[in-house]
Amino acid sequence: QVQLAESGGGVVQPGRSLRLSCAASGFTFDNHGMHWVRQAPGKGLDWVAIIWHDGRNENYADSVKGRFIISRDNSKNTLYLQMNSLRVEDTAVYYCARDSGRGRVISARPDSWGQGTLVTVSS
Amino acid sequence: DIQMTQSPSSLSASVGDRVTITCRASQGIGNSLAWFQQKPGKAPESLIYDASSLESGVPSKFSGSGSGTDFTLTINSLRPEDFATYYCQQYNSYPLTFGGGTKVEIK
Repeated sequence: QVQLAESGGGVVQPGRSLRLSCAASGFTFDNHGMHWVRQAPGKGLDWVAIIWHDGRNENYADSVKGRFIISRDNSKNTLYLQMNSLRVEDTAVYYCARDSGRGRVISARPDSWGQGTLVTVSS
Repeated sequence: DIQMTQSPSSLSASVGDRVTITCRASQGIGNSLAWFQQKPGKAPESLIYDASSLESGVPSKFSGSGSGTDFTLTINSLRPEDFATYYCQQYNSYPLTFGGGTKVEIK
């Protein structure tokens, strides 16, 4: 059974940094790409970033490009999101999600999601 | 970027009804479209991929259709547990984009 558990959320001031983690279990982590998707309070889903199974390729939403970095440690079955220069508009629940591609192929479609961690950017 | 427009943004329906939600892409995406269900305070769950393929374990009351720019999600025989918000997502090209959501409420 796929399990994804996000952590690292909290309250942070604008301009500061925060790192989120996502611990994965129940599947072969290094066979799958991974996503971060966020949801501002009362709003819809907003894709943030994707990383390939081996960590060698990434892609970002324009709104976070140059500020956020997605990375992974396959030896620890863990996904990360380093968030720098945070803005009030980054306030959201951040979900990690597994890419549905099999055999190290990226489909760009999330198929399993964690429960999310809340990031609040406020002075 | 590809814009995904869902309609309606909300609808009211009764238990037993059939409802249809539409999703329109700003440019052709082939069949690279997924549908998700999200209940309040919970993570999204995948329902349909490749526009019309049902995820494992999802009941056949859910169905999807369409290709190119116009897609639909149909839910037959609404049950109380189906009242939720539904999102479409295109995965034809980056950046990946979601529709704004359709909230299905009890009439």
